[in-house]
Amino acid sequence: QSVLTQPPSASGTPGQRVTISCSGSSSNIGSNYVYWYQQLPGTAPKLLIYRNNQRPSGVPDRFSGSKSGTSASLAISGLRSEDEADYYCAAWDDSLSGPYVVFGGGTKLTVL
Amino acid sequence: QLQLQESGPGLVKPSETLSLTCTVSGGSISSSSYYWGWIRQPPGKGLEWIGSIYYSGSTYYNPSLKSRVTISVDTSKNQFSLKLSSVTAADTAVYYCARHRQYEPVDYWGQGTLVTVSS
Repeated sequence: QSVLTQPPSASGTPGQRVTISCSGSSSNIGSNYVYWYQQLPGTAPKLLIYRNNQRPSGVPDRFSGSKSGTSASLAISGLRSEDEADYYCAAWDDSLSGPYVVFGGGTKLTVL
Repeated sequence: QLQLQESGPGLVKPSETLSLTCTVSGGSISSSSYYWGWIRQPPGKGLEWIGSIYYSGSTYYNPSLKSRVTISVDTSKNQFSLKLSSVTAADTAVYYCARHRQYEPVDYWGQGTLVTVSS
């Protein structure tokens, strides 16, 4: 059971816009930055979005992030076949046991 | 360009200690801006953060693993290491080393190394 909640799957057709949600609490998303990662099969995760809505250089502007309260979202517009991958959100959690990083369970995106 | 490379045994026996090292190249582990950490991913499952360390030795650990985890740093070799004790089959995973800023998630990942726990 992951601390951050993501839908296990999402899908869309080429050219469509798809949104993946990430739900948390006041101790994580509500008070810390959200990051998003893309993981292609057999490879390490790749940073897509940092500090809620910032894109690293080289990440297409088709990818965008937002945060509101204790939830965050990743939007992918102009969906392409190469976007088919697993997507994870992450944030620090201000746990009583000590701060640590929590991840969402991941969303498998299928391009139909 | 920054590179992180994991190394260590790919097979560990149950009840023993898993030991991995991450070698950092293209950047200094003594940078004041970054922490250096470990994340794992069991086959077919999601990501789990294990812990991280600053070059001074300050650490953060996942509370669920804290009793079995030790992360250390060797600035002279530009390396940091993970030890996970009393392993079971549930610790079988791809282990990634990574970099992050304090109180921000990972911004740079190693390629990962598969560690299997089996007799």
